[in-house]
Amino acid sequence: DQQVKQNSPSLSVQEGRISILNCDYTNSMFDYFLWYKKYPAEGPTFLISISSIKDKNEDGRFTVFLNKSAKHLSLHIVPSQPGDSAVYFCAASAHGSSNTGKLIFGQGTTLQVKP
Amino acid sequence: DTEVTQTPKHLVMGMTNKKSLKCEQHMGHRAMYWYKQKAKKPPELMFVYSYEKLSINESVPSRFSPECPNSSLLNLHLHALQPEDSALYLCASSQEIAGGPRETQYFGPGTRLLVL
Repeated sequence: DQQVKQNSPSLSVQEGRISILNCDYTNSMFDYFLWYKKYPAEGPTFLISISSIKDKNEDGRFTVFLNKSAKHLSLHIVPSQPGDSAVYFCAASAHGSSNTGKLIFGQGTTLQVKP
Repeated sequence: DTEVTQTPKHLVMGMTNKKSLKCEQHMGHRAMYWYKQKAKKPPELMFVYSYEKLSINESVPSRFSPECPNSSLLNLHLHALQPEDSALYLCASSQEIAGGPRETQYFGPGTRLLVL
């Protein structure tokens, strides 16, 4: 049972436009959500996170939105740059449950930003 | 500084070899993690150490043996691996296992392991 899903394996966007990456989850116990960016043959890099008590968190070009009722989060990148081309993983954690200490990852979305 | 270092960067080993992967962080984090990642897949959790004690073992085969000598270091000892164990092995650390921002994990660059 996949608790965190990224239904779009890939996304292609023109440089300067907005990139929107989506993530859905099923476990209502999740209370903290993260986005990681990964280049080939490197470790994931932490990008931005959001707690379940918020619905939006912004850091420079990156904004994460959380819709708890829909169990959906999204990452907006504005403006997109070619250097943003990478695999993006969303992840979730649930403190005080059998998932404590674990990050549950989605399958990833490959973003390509075209010059 | 959110740096986690891992050595070696690349490792090739035979199925009868014994080798070790090393991970180090100097952020004062008290939780450290080992993950395995195959191409185009998300990281798979293997082990979690909290305050230098093994907290989670995700039913990993005994040919993988973790060790946490102190709060800054994490080792993964490898013995009698199989070719299917070839993967990118990632180390991560977080402030602690406490939920929320303190559990944000920072990853190292990984060790690319090839088992022949």
